[in-house]
Formats: sequence, C-alpha cells, structure tokens
Amino acid sequence: QQPVQSPQAVILREGEDAVINCSSSKALYSVHWYRQKHGEAPVFLMILLKGGEQKGHDKISASFNEKKQQSSLYLTASQLSYSGTYFCGTARSGAGSYQLTFGKGTKLSVIP
Amino acid sequence: EAGVAQSPRYKIIEKRQSVAFWCNPISGHATLYWYQQILGQGPKLLIQFQNNGVVDDSQLPKDRFSAERLKGVDSTLKIQPAKLEDSAVYLCASSLAVVSRDRVVYEQYFGPGTRLTVT
Repeated sequence: QQPVQSPQAVILREGEDAVINCSSSKALYSVHWYRQKHGEAPVFLMILLKGGEQKGHDKISASFNEKKQQSSLYLTASQLSYSGTYFCGTARSGAGSYQLTFGKGTKLSVIP
Repeated sequence: EAGVAQSPRYKIIEKRQSVAFWCNPISGHATLYWYQQILGQGPKLLIQFQNNGVVDDSQLPKDRFSAERLKGVDSTLKIQPAKLEDSAVYLCASSLAVVSRDRVVYEQYFGPGTRLTVT
C-alpha cells in the first residue's frame, strides 16, 4: 500500500518553513525520509521508528505518530540547498524481507 | 567510503532490444535492491537480494526482466525484450542492518541510477 504524501508541491522563499506529511492506511514499523535532486540519486535523511519519535538533522526534523500511521518532515529556515523532491518510504515489518514502499514525492522549491 | 556504483548512467535502445545494468553495492552490505523510478513517481521495488539469494521478486515482470547477484556482491538487471513503458531510471540500493531503540532497521543507500530510454 503506497503512502500518501502531501502537499504534492510547495514553493518557499529562503528562510520560510515547510511541513511535508506522509500517511499510510496500514500499520507501520518505520518511516524513512529521502531527498532527491533532479537527475541524482535519493539521499537518505533519517529513519523514524517509534510512536512519537522525533529526530532532527540541522534544520530538518521529523516526527512519527505510530498510532495514526503518519509522519511529518519539518524544514525550518529553508535554504536554497533544500530544493528537491522529498520521498517518504514506509516499512510495515522489521522481520523477514524489510522493504520500503515509497510515496509519490513532494517537490520543494526554495527561491531567493 | 565508496557509495553504490552503477553503470551505465544512460542508455538508449529501441523497443524489443535487450539491455543490462550493473550494480556494485557498498562494501559489506548484504542486502541489495533494484528499483524502477518512472518520471514523477517514487522508486518502486523490483527485486531484493540477501547475499546471493532472492528475498522478494514479486514485482519483477519475469517475462522480460531478470536479475542475478553472483557471489553475493555485484548484481545485474536485464530486460529482454524492452518495451516503451520500460523507460525509467533504474536505481540500485544496498543496505546494512542497524539496531536502534531495540529495533532492527535497514538504512538504504542508493546509487546514481541508469536512465533508460526505449524508443
């Protein structure tokens, strides 16, 4: 079951904040976030595991509400380098074949 | 540490021709994945290997796609014959198990991909 990401696209000015959401209709084991720039490979950002868990990396952080099967990625004080398409990948189980199902992505454009 | 290597980076073929892609994962990563990414979409898993064994190939169109991972390191993905709808970027990823908060997760790292155009 493919997770649903919202919004599909967002345009920000430098210094503004954004939130990207990822929702699943199935129970989740973990949520992975990636950023992909045009013509490049997806770059790993972070993994979230338990309900309520929050992580941060520089000015990018994320939360995971296990009960709601939702994760949100927070970008604060956005920089031009944050531009790209953000994907969430969800894993439903930690046992056996650990596989990610990716959403369709959220295209973020940061302008001066 | 070297990342996931893939070749070629670009390939243009005519429909009904065959094509092969190569992937060399990060050293020590036992799990290897092949994904297909169509323009404007997220990556879609085609096949997953654990060492040199197939873990899941349920989404691989086996009438035309095949993949192998000999000796549990490098892998090749082949398409024969290609169709127009196979035009996409083919991404290889490898992963290592990481224990975090008493759970095991697999951090996946992607290669640069091969952009295939079928005309």
